[in-house]
Amino acid sequence: KNQVEQSPQSLIILEGKNCTLQCNYTVSPFSNLRWYKQDTGRGPVSLTIMTFSENTKSNGRYTATLDADTKQSSLHITASQLSDSASYICVVTIGAGNNRKLIWGLGTSLAVNP
Amino acid sequence: ETGVTQTPRHLVMGMTNKKSLKCEQHLGHNAMYWYKQSAKKPLELMFVYNFKEQTENNSVPSRFSPECPNSSHLFLHLHTLQPEDSALYLCASSLRTSGNNEQFFGPGTRLTVL
Repeated sequence: KNQVEQSPQSLIILEGKNCTLQCNYTVSPFSNLRWYKQDTGRGPVSLTIMTFSENTKSNGRYTATLDADTKQSSLHITASQLSDSASYICVVTIGAGNNRKLIWGLGTSLAVNP
Repeated sequence: ETGVTQTPRHLVMGMTNKKSLKCEQHLGHNAMYWYKQSAKKPLELMFVYNFKEQTENNSVPSRFSPECPNSSHLFLHLHTLQPEDSALYLCASSLRTSGNNEQFFGPGTRLTVL
């Protein structure tokens, strides 16, 4: 069982629609949570990072939320565009200093159709 | 572009071949990483280098041999690979290994072992 679980595994939406991706984690001690976007044939690119005290962070049409008590995060995409088609990966960092470790989710594959 | 380049982008090799993957970062970072990305699996961290010194080896088979001649370059030497080693190999860099430093990824090398 993966310690960072993402849902849904895949999603198809129409251009212009909104969507929300989920990330639930069980790992600790929590340091931060990042959402990455990975286009096909490219490496992941960071969208947002949130620490324990932050519960919302926006980056353009992307808004991430974090509930550190329930260990849940979401990524909301507003007014989707064709270029949003990609894999979205949730990564939780645990520990601190030289003992920090990144725990990666499997990602949600999003397809935005015209 | 992320400032991290990888060559080659695609590689097909036989199990008896020897090849090398190259990664270069132009961001002035001090930490570099090799990851393996396989279908239906989270990203797997292979090696970490901090100021040219290897600080992490996640039980990677010896048929994978990393080399970090300076903070800007990272190599992964491959020999006698197995078909199950076929995957996307991603290189990343960050300012340092500690803290909330974002990892910047290259586009990856798609490796196929026949």
